[in-house]
Amino acid sequence: QVQLQESGPGLLKPSETLSLTCTVSGGSIDSHYWSWIRQPPGKGLEWIGYKYYSGFANYNASLKSRVSISIGTSRTKFTLKLTSVTAADTAVYFCAREIPQYDVRGFLSGTAFDIWGQGTRVTVSS
Amino acid sequence: SSDLTQDPAVSVALGQTVRITCQGDSLRTYFASWYQQKAGQAPILVIYGNDNRPSGIPDRFSGSRSGHTASLTITETQAEDEGVYYCNSRDSSGNLGVFGGGTKLTVL
Repeated sequence: QVQLQESGPGLLKPSETLSLTCTVSGGSIDSHYWSWIRQPPGKGLEWIGYKYYSGFANYNASLKSRVSISIGTSRTKFTLKLTSVTAADTAVYFCAREIPQYDVRGFLSGTAFDIWGQGTRVTVSS
Repeated sequence: SSDLTQDPAVSVALGQTVRITCQGDSLRTYFASWYQQKAGQAPILVIYGNDNRPSGIPDRFSGSRSGHTASLTITETQAEDEGVYYCNSRDSSGNLGVFGGGTKLTVL
């Protein structure tokens, strides 16, 4: 079955760019949405954004100017980039597969994150 | 609106039934999904499409929606059900994701 694994640096300095990779095993990125979610220490989940398998992406409005998600050419990895990090970006970062559901007219009626990576801790500190 | 509102905490006696709610305007249009997260672990999906249970999730977990409120109900609650439960949906545009603030469930 499909499994996800995050990788990337655990420690960054303020103003640096965070780059995290999610490796997809047991499958490939040939359908669905591929997403990033983060969780600051002691806080709740925050949706960061997704990349649809065929190309378009959407991002949290509060991060939109700093974030991008891309899919690798092998279609077994997708990457999160977050520029100009600050201490507020300190969090556990999860990648997840997001499966869509459609109504009888073919319109999106909801999604769900059915597979998650284990998460990777990122600390921003000088 | 993009907000989903959950009660911060709820408690239930062992073996009893508990309902956790999530309110938001977008829930009138888009399905809710629910996630259980235990300390130090990644969340797991327990309900999707308002009321569907993934394979492997015990049937004591059920979901429903009425108007702008989605609910997760756990019957015969077990000690292992302790954790934080998050609801999720799309915002009113359908383009952006949003999570509720989470409800910490304590089993007494």
